[in-house]
Amino acid sequence: DGGITQSPKYLFRKEGQNVTLSCEQNLNHDAMYWYRQDPGQGLRLIYYSQIVNDFQKGDIAEGYSVSREKKESFPLTVTSAQKNPTAFYLCASSRDRGSDTEAFFGQGTRLTVV
Amino acid sequence: GENVEQHPSTLSVQEGDSAVIKCTYSDSASNYFPWYKQELGKRPQLIIDIRSNVGEKKDQRIAVTLNKTAKHFSLHITETQPEDSAVYFCAAKTGGGNKLTFGTGTQLKVEL
Repeated sequence: DGGITQSPKYLFRKEGQNVTLSCEQNLNHDAMYWYRQDPGQGLRLIYYSQIVNDFQKGDIAEGYSVSREKKESFPLTVTSAQKNPTAFYLCASSRDRGSDTEAFFGQGTRLTVV
Repeated sequence: GENVEQHPSTLSVQEGDSAVIKCTYSDSASNYFPWYKQELGKRPQLIIDIRSNVGEKKDQRIAVTLNKTAKHFSLHITETQPEDSAVYFCAAKTGGGNKLTFGTGTQLKVEL
């Protein structure tokens, strides 16, 4: 069963803690993305990666970090430097070869700071 | 970088009417424009897309038009049904890079 999987679905963090959100895909996609979704603000790009061992900052990278050690995996760490981390986080992937550019999304992780 | 603006933020229509959502983009090098539908509590899913070498694309009740000169593109939904109620996002991607920039979304409500 191919797809993109995020875990956990819900995550609670105490202030001052770092937390890592998982994103795994078995679609053999080269590109992977992390977006943050807040009400009324759409999907804002945090980080994206085009190939293994390479990634670029998106529009709101401050307070976040990523790694891309494997093609299938693109974990996102929300650090204590992120002042307002409560949000819905979406991971996506795409092949980006020729006309094959559709981005597929995971089901999301809802992070709440308690 | 690319900036995508989307209007309106909310849209209510009567069942059977048409709905139109408009987006503008800033980067003239953008060449791929997808539209995503996100139902409540679910992931966004692609409903239609268009490339910069095409002016219009249609798939049953939905269509997308692109005006490269004006840098805007629109989603048209005809004969709306209650199941069309969702949040719709437009996006733009610049060739040569994989950065996909989204608009702020439109909450569409189809009323009976």
